[in-house]
Amino acid sequence: EAGVVQSPRYKIIEKKQPVAFWCNPISGHNTLYWYLQNLGQGPELLIRYENEEAVDDSQLPKDRFSAERLKGVDSTLKIQPAELGDSAVYLCASSPRSGGFSDTQYFGPGTRLTVL
Amino acid sequence: QKEVEQNSGPLSVPEGAIASLNCTYSDRGSQSFFWYRQYSGKSPELIMFIYSNGDKEDGRFTAQLNKASQYVSLLIRDSQPSDSATYLCAVIIGNQFYFGTGTSLTVIP
Repeated sequence: EAGVVQSPRYKIIEKKQPVAFWCNPISGHNTLYWYLQNLGQGPELLIRYENEEAVDDSQLPKDRFSAERLKGVDSTLKIQPAELGDSAVYLCASSPRSGGFSDTQYFGPGTRLTVL
Repeated sequence: QKEVEQNSGPLSVPEGAIASLNCTYSDRGSQSFFWYRQYSGKSPELIMFIYSNGDKEDGRFTAQLNKASQYVSLLIRDSQPSDSATYLCAVIIGNQFYFGTGTSLTVIP
């Protein structure tokens, strides 16, 4: 069974440029999560989807970040415009069922973003 | 106070010893607790979860939960160099999922 797929793995951009990350969860997984992880810190949840519905986006900086999961499968996270402080690893995770966090989350390899 | 707190370490133990990793959390009402392992440059992977007070064992790993004292710990018996990684504690608080900052463990051969 394929794991969570993310692309690109690495991205270097200049500040004020837009950037997008893509995630394909494990087949059949209803819940999808986007996290941000800074060096030496634990992941911080940005948004959680159950199927195509964003059920928790309270930690998503909506002035510059947006996300979508139109068909309830793969998802895109966008930053526009990027700032220096956005440099981090962006992790996508998925879990089989809906209804909270009690299900095991499977993480993708992450996208390492560097903003110059 | 942060929602989930861990000593960042680094924690060093000799091969074969018991490694003890600790985590405290802020919300007495929390019900679900998780330990993830993250190798350098890799993504987190779930080791164990625990919901009830007491101990839960899985191979060389034991999770211990004390809700009255609001801490959860992870014991790794017979530590191996391959256990060298950062261990992240995670707690469901309300309807949110919080990770600690992680404890870096090095097992010395």
